[in-house]
Amino acid sequence: NAGVTQTPKFQVLKTGQSMTLQCAQDMNHEYMSWYRQDPGMGLRLIHYSVGAGITDQGEVPNGYNVSRSTTEDFPLRLLSAAPSQTSVYFCASSHTGGFNQPQHFGDGTRLSIL
Amino acid sequence: AQKITQTQPGMFVQEKEAVTLDCTYDTSDQSYGLFWYKQPSSGEMIFLIYQGSYDEQNATEGRYSLNFQKARKSANLVISASQLGDSAMYFCAMRGYALEGAGGTSYGKLTFGQGTILTVHP
Repeated sequence: NAGVTQTPKFQVLKTGQSMTLQCAQDMNHEYMSWYRQDPGMGLRLIHYSVGAGITDQGEVPNGYNVSRSTTEDFPLRLLSAAPSQTSVYFCASSHTGGFNQPQHFGDGTRLSIL
Repeated sequence: AQKITQTQPGMFVQEKEAVTLDCTYDTSDQSYGLFWYKQPSSGEMIFLIYQGSYDEQNATEGRYSLNFQKARKSANLVISASQLGDSAMYFCAMRGYALEGAGGTSYGKLTFGQGTILTVHP
């Protein structure tokens, strides 16, 4: 049971570089989301998707882009990395976005922007 | 708006004893879910237990139980017979009711508390 798989686990970027964080789930979940975890601020929702071809912004979407071409994959793109985007990024999925659905998280990607 | 408050930045417990981690919440939703997650030092987020707002019985999962007091808006996690491997950060979280397709920034969003670091002593 792979669950939610994130790659890479660690990444260091220079300011202005772009990159894509990969996320894949094998549970046939419709709902997928990206969070960032910062000290003292908890986890904050960046973007989410309710199914293939459908994405929407979360509470901190600026500087990030997402797409959902398949049910399984939900990549997060940093368009032009900034030091403020240094964080731990988590991808999560659930059957739906309903309130009774627990989200299952990947192991996270630790991203440092120099 | 939803808010989760965890007032205990750190807790200590002796191995084999029980410990309660506090969580209070605020929401105007009638339907909502409450969740607890464990984050060990390795960093992953592990789902532990779920309680629905309409559930009349407290949820239990092995050594984990959720003490749900709806009128007081509290959802405390109780860990029985603590083990050294229970040492970790614990997050309380909430998922509210929202209509899919209604737009906005919050559909399906998990709102997290600040977390409690639990240390289990041998």
